[in-house]
Formats: sequence, C-alpha cells, structure tokens
Amino acid sequence: SQQGEEDPQALSIQEGENATMNCSYKTSINNLQWYRQNSGRGLVHLILIRSNEREKHSGRLRVTLDTSKKSSSLLITASRAADTASYFCATDVAGTASKLTFGTGTRLQVTL
Amino acid sequence: EPEVTQTPSHQVTQMGQEVILRCVPISNHLYFYWYRQILGQKVEFLVSFYNNEISEKSEIFDDQFSVERPDGSNFTLKIRSTKLEDSAMYFCASKLGRGRDYEQYFGPGTRLTVT
Repeated sequence: SQQGEEDPQALSIQEGENATMNCSYKTSINNLQWYRQNSGRGLVHLILIRSNEREKHSGRLRVTLDTSKKSSSLLITASRAADTASYFCATDVAGTASKLTFGTGTRLQVTL
Repeated sequence: EPEVTQTPSHQVTQMGQEVILRCVPISNHLYFYWYRQILGQKVEFLVSFYNNEISEKSEIFDDQFSVERPDGSNFTLKIRSTKLEDSAMYFCASKLGRGRDYEQYFGPGTRLTVT
C-alpha cells in the first residue's frame, strides 16, 4: 500500500451515527494530520496528532495513532449532514523538509 | 483568525503560456509549500521553501516550475510553458516551524485550466 492510504474509500451513514475512517502509512513520521475537503474546495485542517501521542480529541473528532502498526483512525461522533466531505490523512515524514504525504481519502456522505 | 490566501481562484490559460499563481502565507510562518491535486486524485507535494531557498522538491517540479518569495508576504509559483497535464488545483500551504508540533495550513487553492 502507498504512504497514507485510507479506508474505506467511501462511507455512507445517517445523521447521528458515528463515522470511522482509517489511514495506514509506511515510514516514520513526525506527526499525522487529518484534513477535510468539500467537493472541489480547499483543505481544512482538522487535527494533528504527534508521533508520541496515542489519542487526541477535538470536539466531535477523536483521532488515534498506532505507530507500531503505522495506522491512524479518525472518528466523527454524532455526524451531521454538514460533515459530508472527503477526509484525508497526511503524514509529516521524519527526515524530510516536513512535506506532507497525503492519502487517497475517504468520501463521507451523511444523509438525513 | 489568520489564513493563507491565494489568487486567482481560477485561471484559464492556453497551452504554452506562462502562469503565475500567487499566495500570501500566514504572516509569521517560516515554511512554505506548493501542492497540486489533479481532479479526482490525491494531493501531491510539489515543493517546499524555507529561508529563501527550495528545501525539497518532487519529481513533478521540473525546470518548467519555479517559486519565489519576492517580498515579505507573497509566495509565487510560476509555470513557464503550461501543458494540458498541468490542469489541476494548486494549493499553497504554510507552517510556523519544523518538527512534530506544527500544522500545515492550506489556502483555498487556484484551479488552473490549460486549454
């Protein structure tokens, strides 16, 4: 798999349900960041988790990081229709000029 | 809240023409980046810039591309002779520092269409 691959590729849930997206990567990282992108629009930063952290919360978002498995998950609780977007993980790879390597993204559809 | 801005939001150009995409990073940030996203594909790194020089570039960033920080606020990406395959959304990003504590903040993007 490539650096920063998410699964599932697409996820459809009803409003109020939780959405979980997973990300895998291959190399050592400084941190992992999650972004949201509405169709054809810009990238909105959601949350950063450092390589020495295991879990982080921000509002309805919960991110976990398992560096031994080189994986992360993003949980959105009590989803809303406005959460409909694509979600990307991006790794800040250790030893580089801190470029981000993006995953393929999960398209989340939240229906009423 | 400070944000990264980009102009124009949409640029249409003919093949072979030069384009300059402009970005104003967040004012106290020190690291600057360009990425691109071809429609339906993942976001790809192009180049990083620090201390007035390129610190890393990808294979995509060939001799047709250049970056410049002409003054204390603007950061530009120039494509000398555009090709059809340069059509993409181009994102500028900036970061305060280096290491595991720092988020990269992205601008809204410039959609480049080469005809």
